[in-house]
Amino acid sequence: QVQLQESGPGLVKPSETLSLSCTVSGGSVITYYWTWIRQPPGKGLEWIGFISYSGGPNYNPSLKSRVTISVDPSKNQFSLNLSSVTAADTAVYYCARQWGGYDNRGGFYYDYMDVWGKGTTVTVSS
Amino acid sequence: SSELTQDPAVSVALGQTVRITCQGDSLRSYYASWYQQKPGQAPVLVIYANSDRPSGIPDRFSGSRSGNTASLTITGAQAEDEADYYCHSRDSSADQVVFGGGTKLTVL
Repeated sequence: QVQLQESGPGLVKPSETLSLSCTVSGGSVITYYWTWIRQPPGKGLEWIGFISYSGGPNYNPSLKSRVTISVDPSKNQFSLNLSSVTAADTAVYYCARQWGGYDNRGGFYYDYMDVWGKGTTVTVSS
Repeated sequence: SSELTQDPAVSVALGQTVRITCQGDSLRSYYASWYQQKPGQAPVLVIYANSDRPSGIPDRFSGSRSGNTASLTITGAQAEDEADYYCHSRDSSADQVVFGGGTKLTVL
């Protein structure tokens, strides 16, 4: 059974870089897509970006200038760096496994996140 | 358009049926997936590829679609179904992931 675990500092100073890692157990980062999502206090889910081992990353346009997502097969981890943080970046950060494809019967594409980490709270404050 | 629109709140009497909807242009080419989130917990996938249920999800949860609208139906809602529900898809270009704003379900 695949499990994901986020790790990283819970407190980051304004203007610094937020760095989180997600360790994958029970599976390999070489397959699937791996995604970061965040949820500010009392608000909804916001997609940050995803990456696959064989492809490049895709980022939320609103965060693209500040985000880097990478994958490390040797550690079976993927990571998030978010630079120049402000209080607006305070949130619970989740990592998740993502998959998608095309349903030939219905003629539709599909995409879903079937395994999630428990989330880690990051507060941006001096 | 890259937006998915959900009603902010819906309520249902215990044991009754409730439908939660999600609207967006991308749903004309992408199936929605649905997530349940209880307070203080990570989201849980309850429906994917429009109407498929992951292992362990009760069969009272079902999904459907029509035009640009996806629906999550709970038939015989239970107290433990009280939660926030989010729909998810890709945008029309398929590059970006989009989430609906979430629907808070109250079971009366």
